[in-house]
Amino acid sequence: DQQVKQNSPSLSVQEGRISILNCDYTNSMFDYFLWYKKYPAEGPTFLISISSIKDKNEDGRFTVFLNKSAKHLSLHIVPSQPGDSAVYFCAASASNTGKLIFGQGTTLQVKP
Amino acid sequence: NAGVMQNPRHLVRRRGQEARLRCSPVKGHSHVYWYRQLPEEGLKFMVYLQKENIIDESGMPKERFSAEFPKEGPSILRIQQVVRGDSAAYFCASSPPWGGGGYTFGSGTRLTVV
Repeated sequence: DQQVKQNSPSLSVQEGRISILNCDYTNSMFDYFLWYKKYPAEGPTFLISISSIKDKNEDGRFTVFLNKSAKHLSLHIVPSQPGDSAVYFCAASASNTGKLIFGQGTTLQVKP
Repeated sequence: NAGVMQNPRHLVRRRGQEARLRCSPVKGHSHVYWYRQLPEEGLKFMVYLQKENIIDESGMPKERFSAEFPKEGPSILRIQQVVRGDSAAYFCASSPPWGGGGYTFGSGTRLTVV
C-alpha cells in the first residue's frame, strides 16, 4: 500500500528554469509533509516542510505547495541550478505516529 | 560531530552470517528510525525506537530482523542469517520528541550479501 506516491521517476530541466516535482498521498491523517534531497552514497537531507494548516511554504529558491483537497503537494525550485541534480523524496507523517512515510523518489537532472 | 553516525559504511556478509548495523543519533535526540532502500526503490520504514522501547516495528520483516536502542550506546539493527535479498542501503535517522522539523539522517550502511 503506497500511501505516498511520486509518479514521475525522473525530470530533466534546463539551468535557470523552474523544476516542479509532484507528490500525491492517500492517507487523510497525514498532517505534516516534507521534502528531502539525496545524493548518491549519502543520506537524505532535509529540504523544506509544510504543515497541513498551510498551503504554501517558501525558503529561498524552494517553495512547497499543499493542496489538501486533492491530497497533492509539489516542490518548486526556481531558478534551477546544476547542483540541484539529485533524487528528491516526498515524505508525510501523521502527528500521532511519529514516523515518516516516503515516496519512491524523483531523480532531477538540471542541465547547464 | 553533530550528525547521525552510522557504521560501518559498507558491510559484506556471506549468506547465513549475521549483520550488525550501528547508529549513534544526534546528541540530545531520543528517537531513532531505521529505513531500508532496496536498489531502484524508495525508502521503506522499518522500525521506530525510543530509548529502551520499540514504538513501531510495523515495517520489520517478521523473522531474522531485530532492533534495539539501549539506555547507553548506539541503536543496533541486527539481521540474522542474511540472504541475498537483504542487500540494500540501511539508513538511520534521529529526531527529538516529535514536534515537526523532520529527521536527521545518517549516511547509511550499504550491506552486500555474497
